[in-house]
Amino acid sequence: KQEVTQIPAALSVPEGENLVLNCSFTDSAIYNLQWFRQDPGKGLTSLLLIQSSQREQTSGRLNASLDKSSGRSTLYIAASQPGDSATYLCAVLGPYNFNKFYFGSGTKLNVKP
Amino acid sequence: GAGVSQSPRYKVAKRGQDVALRCDPISGHVSLFWYQQALGQGPEFLTYFQNEAQLDKSGLPSDRFFAERPEGSVSTLKIQRTQQEDSAVYLCASSYRDMYGYTFGSGTRLTVV
Repeated sequence: KQEVTQIPAALSVPEGENLVLNCSFTDSAIYNLQWFRQDPGKGLTSLLLIQSSQREQTSGRLNASLDKSSGRSTLYIAASQPGDSATYLCAVLGPYNFNKFYFGSGTKLNVKP
Repeated sequence: GAGVSQSPRYKVAKRGQDVALRCDPISGHVSLFWYQQALGQGPEFLTYFQNEAQLDKSGLPSDRFFAERPEGSVSTLKIQRTQQEDSAVYLCASSYRDMYGYTFGSGTRLTVV
């Protein structure tokens, strides 16, 4: 069974810092990897989707990389802002079954003003 | 609608009560998924529909859980004889087609007392 691990579980940083969230997965035969943001009491908002053939995706201050062979992804957030405070979830689609995401437990980020 | 709509947003059930959770996917989305998210954890897959066909129900935790999508649009997740361990947020997601980006609803928070 695919296992997804996110490190750290929680992170508190002052506003303006650049930061990196880590995600690792045990089976590299994935179809894609997606980073989500979850605010308290809310659903999931998709941030970045990386197909298995891609190495990275960028959106504004966010950059996600994928190293499928080593089973790792990182989410880089530049110039963090208090509005970035949320839980960030990494999810992989696969292996073999493209109907099912496997999620990590998330990194809870707090950006202090 | 513009997004995936779930109702009710909150549900408190007495142990042993039956509950029904509703999901209205984005119009035209073929694929529909249900996930269960326990407190402090990432979502876990429950079941998957392609139109009205339930193609994967491997994540349903027991035979007390039942999902349907009779006309290929709205879906209902039913939990019979609720137990305390059923307390969680139930998330619905839909996508235009498999492996494309998924849109999640805000979820239904179920508390069994």
